[in-house]
Amino acid sequence: NAGVTQTPKFRILKIGQSMTLQCTQDMNHNYMYWYRQDPGMGLKLIYYSVGAGITDKGEVPNGYNVSRSTTEDFPLRLELAAPSQTSVYFCASSYSGSGTVAGGPSDLETQYFGPGTRLLVL
Amino acid sequence: QKEVEQNSGPLSVPEGAIASLNCTYSDRGSQSFFWYRQYSGKSPELIMFIYSNGDKEDGRFTAQLNKASQYVSLLIRDSQPSDSATYLCAVKVGGYGQNFVFGPGTRLSVLP
Repeated sequence: NAGVTQTPKFRILKIGQSMTLQCTQDMNHNYMYWYRQDPGMGLKLIYYSVGAGITDKGEVPNGYNVSRSTTEDFPLRLELAAPSQTSVYFCASSYSGSGTVAGGPSDLETQYFGPGTRLLVL
Repeated sequence: QKEVEQNSGPLSVPEGAIASLNCTYSDRGSQSFFWYRQYSGKSPELIMFIYSNGDKEDGRFTAQLNKASQYVSLLIRDSQPSDSATYLCAVKVGGYGQNFVFGPGTRLSVLP
């Protein structure tokens, strides 16, 4: 299993440009999340999804959009990039519910993180 | 606003000592508590989770939970330089879905 993968690893955007951060997981997790992490700070939840077709806002959703058309993919869209969106973005996934899950019962609710996308908006 | 607080550190301990990391949370409905380790420039990785009051041990790590005091801690015994990282406390808060709130993290430095 590749786990959670994110692309790109690094990107520079100009103010007002838009882009999509890609996230894919191959663990058949039903929950997926997008976080941002500013220097010296913890993770702030942007959006999350409890399954294909269902998304909900987190703590800091303004300026972002998401979609979840498949279990595996959860792209994050930035429209009209602003310097305040300069950050490191982490995608994560987890499993909740009954049934088979990689790693066994203790794996429930554990979030697995992708390697992150470093975004600089100038 | 549901909050999770941690001392930002840095917390410096000598090699072989016990490192004690603390976390408090505001949502009394919280049921699940997690400690993640994050090396500089890397993504967080899970160290331990705890659901019940008391202690939970895993190798050199012990998580302690006191729901009445809304307090969770992580003890690292026989600290090694490789334990130097930022430790994030995360709490699954009540309500729909799996909404996790992370603390700002405590930076630990283990001195050889």
